[in-house]
Amino acid sequence: DIVMTQTPLSLSVTPGQPASISCKSSQSLLSSDGKTYLYWFLQRPGQSPQLLIYEVSNRFAGVPDRFSGSGSQTHFTLKISRVEADDVGVYHCMQGIHLPPYTFGQGTKLEI
Amino acid sequence: QVQLMQSGPEVKKPGASVKVSCKASGYNFITFGISWVRQAPGQGLEWMGWISPYTGKTDYAQQVQGRVSMTMDTSTNTVFMELRSLRSDDTAVYYCARSGAPNIVVVAPFDKWGQGTLVTVSS
Repeated sequence: DIVMTQTPLSLSVTPGQPASISCKSSQSLLSSDGKTYLYWFLQRPGQSPQLLIYEVSNRFAGVPDRFSGSGSQTHFTLKISRVEADDVGVYHCMQGIHLPPYTFGQGTKLEI
Repeated sequence: QVQLMQSGPEVKKPGASVKVSCKASGYNFITFGISWVRQAPGQGLEWMGWISPYTGKTDYAQQVQGRVSMTMDTSTNTVFMELRSLRSDDTAVYYCARSGAPNIVVVAPFDKWGQGTLVTVSS
């Protein structure tokens, strides 16, 4: 199974400042169809996870453009340009190639 | 609107079984797979398996293979996850979510999640 490793596991950010989370996969997530199957989720305290980014860099419907995803092959990054109070929670990356199984990173807790 | 509504919390003794339901509404049931994901207290997300409402085909994660069954009732658009021989480390919040599945490819898997069902295993 593909192992997903996130860093850091926690970070504290001042509102208005940027934040960056790294996710590395044990195998390339680039498929023969040209797509890269890497996803990002935010899980706010006490809530279910919600999809932020699909296929590395595509923001899901309703996700603010403060959130951006980048990367390729095995190294990926989620960036928040200006952190707001509503961004607090745990961020998870997930791979969707070589299924099953889907596998998730350990999660990164963002605090303000 | 698209909704996944899960059954309520459960408390079980070690060795018992639990069956959690996930009722889908607001979309064509057979066009998305349903995955089950669990989260132990303070831990990350663990994918348990999926079912294709189109074919009924399932795949399970190795960690729960042999103890888990995922079934569905297409007349009520409901998916069920049964976990048997419960242990204390099965204590977790169990989520259903729309996803891909065998013969079902989706652009944005896990775009909708249920509210979660807390299963507590304790003697």
